[in-house]
Amino acid sequence: EDKVVQSPLSLVVHEGDTVTLNCSYEVTNFRSLLWYKQEKKAPTFLFMLTSSGIEKKSGRLSSILDKKELFSILNITATQTGDSAIYLCALTRGGSNYKLTFGKGTLLTVNP
Amino acid sequence: SQTIHQWPATLVQPVGSPLSLECTVEGTSNPNLYWYRQAAGRGLQLLFYSVGIGQISSEVPQNLSASRPQDRQFILSSKKLLLSDSGFYLCAWGEGGPFHNEQFFGPGTRLTVL
Repeated sequence: EDKVVQSPLSLVVHEGDTVTLNCSYEVTNFRSLLWYKQEKKAPTFLFMLTSSGIEKKSGRLSSILDKKELFSILNITATQTGDSAIYLCALTRGGSNYKLTFGKGTLLTVNP
Repeated sequence: SQTIHQWPATLVQPVGSPLSLECTVEGTSNPNLYWYRQAAGRGLQLLFYSVGIGQISSEVPQNLSASRPQDRQFILSSKKLLLSDSGFYLCAWGEGGPFHNEQFFGPGTRLTVL
């Protein structure tokens, strides 16, 4: 059975801090790992990672995948209160009709 | 551009009543469609997915069913709701090809069963 484990489950930081969110996984026939941000309602897509060692970057957010050690990290630099959200990690595997298996998420709170 | 709609946004229903949640996608053809439930513990659990009209796969045994009567319409139903059906229901679509694994979510329906 596929497993996605995120840590920490929750995190409280101050504006300006840098945070690192972790996602480890176990899956047969890995295809991709995805990060989403969920504020009040629908998760919004952040990154999709398929290859080890290639950083994806969008503004203050970046993510990288290690397929040997089976984990990914999501970094947020110079955090702002608008970064407060649940960050979800999910993966797909080959032959699965691209179903997503989600972790439980990390609840990030950024205080002013 | 593609958009995904869900309604209603919130719903309060008594135990034993029927349910129908609707999801429609615009701006794409033959999408893969998915229903997820998010309970208080925050993880998203896949309930159903569909790769085409009339094709439904169920992920977990439950009190719910799904149908896809049109290419861009996905419906989640129940004949008799249980308390445990309460949660946040999210519909998602994806292109499903090998280079586009990402899914895009609708705004969700918050269901409370009393």
